[in-house]
Amino acid sequence: GAGVSQSPSNKVTEKGKDVELRCDPISGHTALYWYRQSLGQGLEFLIYFQGNSAPDKSGLPSDRFSAERTGGSVSTLTIQRTQQEDSAVYLCASSTTGNTEAFFGQGTRLTVV
Amino acid sequence: GENVEQHPSTLSVQEGDSAVIKCTYSDSASNYFPWYKQELGKGPQLIIDIRSNVGEKKDQRIAVTLNKTAKHFSLHITETQPEDSAVYFCAASNRKSYQHTFGKGTKLSVIP
Repeated sequence: GAGVSQSPSNKVTEKGKDVELRCDPISGHTALYWYRQSLGQGLEFLIYFQGNSAPDKSGLPSDRFSAERTGGSVSTLTIQRTQQEDSAVYLCASSTTGNTEAFFGQGTRLTVV
Repeated sequence: GENVEQHPSTLSVQEGDSAVIKCTYSDSASNYFPWYKQELGKGPQLIIDIRSNVGEKKDQRIAVTLNKTAKHFSLHITETQPEDSAVYFCAASNRKSYQHTFGKGTKLSVIP
């Protein structure tokens, strides 16, 4: 596709349920990032994938959060046993390598009720 | 790890005036400094970037300056227009850590 695609665009879930957020990066981009943005706040780093290297998971806030990237392309961010404080916009970005322009998707707005 | 501080958090200017947003970083290894603009309901989009081998870069009404010694960089927008109203983020990255570290953002309002 022409840009980074994220789905769903909006997700409302009940507290305690698991959710999966999907990111389709720009074809050929080896670097993929997940960020979280709470209302009116900055960008909180979650996880970074670069090629076949082990991902940098240092930003994941708890063991309820996990992410994988299959075949160096599509990535899924999973949040287990969602809590109300998980409500935020989850942004995915990709770049040709690290240390270059990051192209962001539109984000997934997650609401935990 | 890298720490990026961004000021101010909010900025209001009259249309036609200039706006300046400043960022400082902590990791001397950082060598790539992008600026992103985020409009309501959208993901951030790159507007200008600078690498550590230059001190200034311009693109029409937008310019970025970098002072490696002081570890700070700034975004300058001249002749501001209402469509410049958005949240602006600075970031820093390097070949070692790769991932962008973002500032907390500046909400710019341009008053017609």
